[in-house]
Amino acid sequence: EVQVVESGGGLVQPGRSLRLSCAASGFTFEDYAIHWVRQAPGKGLEWVSGISWDGGSFGYADSVEGRFTISRDNAQNSVYLQMNSLRPEDTALYFCVKDKVVVTPAYFDFWGQGTLVTVSS
Amino acid sequence: EIVLTQSPATLSLSPGERATLSCRASQSISDYLAWYQQKPGQAPRLLIYDASTRATGIPARFSGSGAGTDFTLTINSLEPEDFAVYYCQQRISWPLITFGQGTRLEIK
Repeated sequence: EVQVVESGGGLVQPGRSLRLSCAASGFTFEDYAIHWVRQAPGKGLEWVSGISWDGGSFGYADSVEGRFTISRDNAQNSVYLQMNSLRPEDTALYFCVKDKVVVTPAYFDFWGQGTLVTVSS
Repeated sequence: EIVLTQSPATLSLSPGERATLSCRASQSISDYLAWYQQKPGQAPRLLIYDASTRATGIPARFSGSGAGTDFTLTINSLEPEDFAVYYCQQRISWPLITFGQGTRLEIK
């Protein structure tokens, strides 16, 4: 059974940092891109960042470029999102999502339940 | 950045009716488009990918069409469980991926 489980969310002050983790199981982890998608309370979905199967290609939404860093450890079946200089508008439920397509980042077929990040003083 | 614009923002229909949801891209994205369904308190679910291919386990009443800049999600004979929010998503511009703002399908 495919599973992706997020952790690391919490309450943090503006300007501080937080590191999210995603632990995956039930599939050949090193074959697939992994993404982070967030959803602010009562709002729509926003793709935040994604990383290719081998870590060689990655991207960020304009809203987090320069502040967030994505990485992966295929030996640990894990993906991380380092979030620096957090802002109140980063407050959201952060989903870790498995890509559907082998090798090529494309679509999102398995979603975690999310970890809540609240940025507030 | 490729912008996806969904319409209408809210669609009010009754069970048994047909729903037609639209997604328009700011530039051509070939057929690299997916549709997702999200119910309150749940993670989204992949319905359609590559514009018209149903994901595993998705009922045949869901269908997708379109290419280039204009895309449609059609839900035939709405069931009570179909009332939810629907999002489109494009992947042609990797490493930048975008979603539409969503269409809320509500019971009339």
